[in-house]
Amino acid sequence: GQNIDQPTEMTATEGAIVQINCTYQTSGFNGLFWYQQHAGEAPTFLSYNVLDGLEEKGRFSSFLSRSKGYSYLLLKELQMKDSASYLCAVSTDSWGKLQFGAGTQVVVTP
Amino acid sequence: SQTIHQWPATLVQPVGSPLSLECTVEGTSNPNLYWYRQAAGRGLQLLFYSVGIGQISSEVPQNLSASRPQDRQFILSSKKLLLSDSGFYLCAWKGGATEKLFFGSGTQLSVL
Repeated sequence: GQNIDQPTEMTATEGAIVQINCTYQTSGFNGLFWYQQHAGEAPTFLSYNVLDGLEEKGRFSSFLSRSKGYSYLLLKELQMKDSASYLCAVSTDSWGKLQFGAGTQVVVTP
Repeated sequence: SQTIHQWPATLVQPVGSPLSLECTVEGTSNPNLYWYRQAAGRGLQLLFYSVGIGQISSEVPQNLSASRPQDRQFILSSKKLLLSDSGFYLCAWKGGATEKLFFGSGTQLSVL
């Protein structure tokens, strides 16, 4: 079966750095995505990794190790607006179907 | 530019009543379309996906059905709602040039 694990909740201070880990075991692999979701809203795309290594995009970076089934999302210079749920998702085939983890709620405190 | 519309935003329905949620995409042709459900405090679960008109694949057995009567229209239906059908329903699309999904604004369904 498919298994995507990420921590339930993380708390960090404004201006700090937070790293959200995601481990996965899936029947196929066609890329790993990170989405941000504010309460009651649709998920918005943050990053996509299909090859091993680090992808940097502004304050957000995402890392992938396919051999370890592991990814992380790094949020730097945290802002209050970064308080949200962060969803790790794996594409398991060429049809674009994404399998999602349960999400990590990040709480940014002043 | 491409946009996705989903309605209604919220819906309260009694158990046993029918359901119809609609999703349309603009600015693209022949998209892959998806219906996801998010139960409270849980991850997104893929319900249906479609790669073309009239082509529907179901990911989990359930009380729901989907249809794609037009290229950019995707409908989620039920003949009789159950309490367990409550949740946040999200429509999404993917174009051929990208791997990422774009989500609609969602429908919060409460079955009472």
